Amino acid sequence: QVQLQESGPGLVRPSQTLSLTCTVSGGSINIGGYFWTWIRQHPGKGLEWIGNIYYSGTTYSNPSLKSPVTISIDRSKNQFSLKLSSVTAADTAVYYCARAGDPGPFDVWGQGTMVTVSS
Amino acid sequence: DIVMTQSPDSLAVSLGERATINCKSSQSLLYGSDNKNSLAWYQQRPGQPPKLLIYWASTRASGIPDRFTGSGSGTDFTLTISTLQAEDVAVYYCQQCYEIPPAFGQGTKVEIK
Repeated sequence: QVQLQESGPGLVRPSQTLSLTCTVSGGSINIGGYFWTWIRQHPGKGLEWIGNIYYSGTTYSNPSLKSPVTISIDRSKNQFSLKLSSVTAADTAVYYCARAGDPGPFDVWGQGTMVTVSS
Repeated sequence: DIVMTQSPDSLAVSLGERATINCKSSQSLLYGSDNKNSLAWYQQRPGQPPKLLIYWASTRASGIPDRFTGSGSGTDFTLTISTLQAEDVAVYYCQQCYEIPPAFGQGTKVEIK
């Protein structure tokens, strides 16, 4: 079955760019019907949708986020990525990648990766 | 944007007893000509990612025990755990899949009394 795995630095300096990659295994990212998604969870808090990307490259992101969001897809590597620029301490969180149906729930999740923004 | 509100924020239930969690959306989640409700429930155990329990408001995901039941329609939904087991200690989230941005409720923490 499809599995997702996040990777990237665990520590990012303030004002720098947070970059994470999600590797998809057990299935192709290059098929319709799914949104490939980033979600984060601040320590001890609830879940916040960051944005998603369709296999075609169409993206959507949460307008309430203060840090600019870029989501991209690499079909040759079966990966999709997140970039959050000009980060602050408020971006410290566990970041999850997930798959959602079009339409539908988040049925597959990565294990999550903790990212701390600190100097 | 649709706002999801859960109640209560936490509850303590004895083993074998029933746990009930409510979720209210700020607008109807009825979707499409077949009138499905675009509402999902997740379970998050400590240190784990969320796990899909229920989708389309009442359909159990693969492998989910039948003690978990989702109900409701429109703007009001309920997750019921019929007989609480020790492994059900977790935070439970509802989520609307109706439109972007997909919003979650604030979570309900379920503990053993």
